[in-house]
Amino acid sequence: GAVVSQHPSWVICKSGTSVKIECRSLDFQATTMFWYRQFPKQSLMLMATSNEGSKATYEQGVEKDKFLINHASLTLSTLTVTSAHPEDSSFYICSARRRASNQPQHFGDGTRLSIL
Amino acid sequence: KNEVEQSPQNLTAQEGEFITINCSYSVGISALHWLQQHPGGGIVSLFMLSSGKKKHGRLIATINIQEKHSSLHITASHPRDSAVYICAVEFNMLTFGGGTRLMVKP
Repeated sequence: GAVVSQHPSWVICKSGTSVKIECRSLDFQATTMFWYRQFPKQSLMLMATSNEGSKATYEQGVEKDKFLINHASLTLSTLTVTSAHPEDSSFYICSARRRASNQPQHFGDGTRLSIL
Repeated sequence: KNEVEQSPQNLTAQEGEFITINCSYSVGISALHWLQQHPGGGIVSLFMLSSGKKKHGRLIATINIQEKHSSLHITASHPRDSAVYICAVEFNMLTFGGGTRLMVKP
């Protein structure tokens, strides 16, 4: 079945550091990838939609200069949290969808980010 | 904007019990997803449906488009079913419900 790999699983780093999270579709081409954020005991919130070869579309309230998204190939999207601060600590999860829009999204295992 | 309501928020069951989780939404959709999130955070897509009923093993998902309602049923529940179950509706993008935290006790 379709597999999405997300790396790293856990990140602990100091305030001010930039952190890059990778999302890879291992056995299919993902024309669209999504980045979500989840705070403890809350629902997932869409941060941005990433289409291969074009700029990401960010949801209202998400700072595009802080959360840099790159979708340079059909199998890889990256989310970089720039100059991370403790309030950026959260669970980040990506999903990927095949070329046809009627296909379900396949989720990565998520990245738990803790900023000290 | 679509509002997605799930019930119950928390559910504790004994092993073997039949479990039902409900999801209601407010506006038309192209598809509805049921997702399972384990304590570690990883999410597994259980079902994507746009009409009728789907079955996979002990899991059954139904949707009533006219009533804007879906149910997820688990038959013969087992402790390994303990997880958060999330309903998400799709129309261009996914809108998530708040999740149902299920604990199945042996």
